[in-house]
Amino acid sequence: DQQVKQNSPSLSVQEGRISILNCDYTNSMFDYFLWYKKYPAEGPTFLISISSIKDKNEDGRFTVFLNKSAKHLSLHIVPSQPGDSAVYFCAASRIARGGSYIPTFGRGTSLIVHP
Amino acid sequence: DVKVTQSSRYLVKRTGEKVFLECVQDMDHENMFWYRQDPGLGLRLIYFSYDVKMKEKGDIPEGYSVSREKKERFSLILESASTNQTSMYLCASSGETAQNTEAFFGQGTRLTVV
Repeated sequence: DQQVKQNSPSLSVQEGRISILNCDYTNSMFDYFLWYKKYPAEGPTFLISISSIKDKNEDGRFTVFLNKSAKHLSLHIVPSQPGDSAVYFCAASRIARGGSYIPTFGRGTSLIVHP
Repeated sequence: DVKVTQSSRYLVKRTGEKVFLECVQDMDHENMFWYRQDPGLGLRLIYFSYDVKMKEKGDIPEGYSVSREKKERFSLILESASTNQTSMYLCASSGETAQNTEAFFGQGTRLTVV
């Protein structure tokens, strides 16, 4: 049972345009939402996060929007660059045993930005 | 910079072998995780640990065990490797505060079981 869903396996965008990656979740106990970027043969790297008490967080070209009532978040990349081509994972964190936050990941969306 | 180091980038093991995957982090993080990544399935949590000697099962613990004898080291053990455990294994660590929930990943170990 997937708690974090990324329904688009891939997305193709022209350089300079906006990339929008979407993510849905089912568990209302999640407190934090995160986006990671992964290049082939490397581990994922953290990109941006948002707390469940906020609806927007911005960091340079990257903005994450959270719609808690719809249990939906999105990552906007503006403008998109060829170096942004990677797999993007959405993750949601909940508090677990020992007070730790455990990220649950979606299946990823492969973004290709064409020059 | 946080550094999470996995002992091997690539491993080839035979069915039935006992396999050890090692992970070390240098940021004094309390939490450590083992995930596996498979095409179309994303990252799935195998085990995590929130303290030395403490471990909790993740979503797919069957066929695996873990060991955390020191804070900086978290080992994943495949008791008897099988071909369906061929995968990319990713170790991660994170701090304890709510403001720092992001996990930092190692470079991954590509394990092939033949």
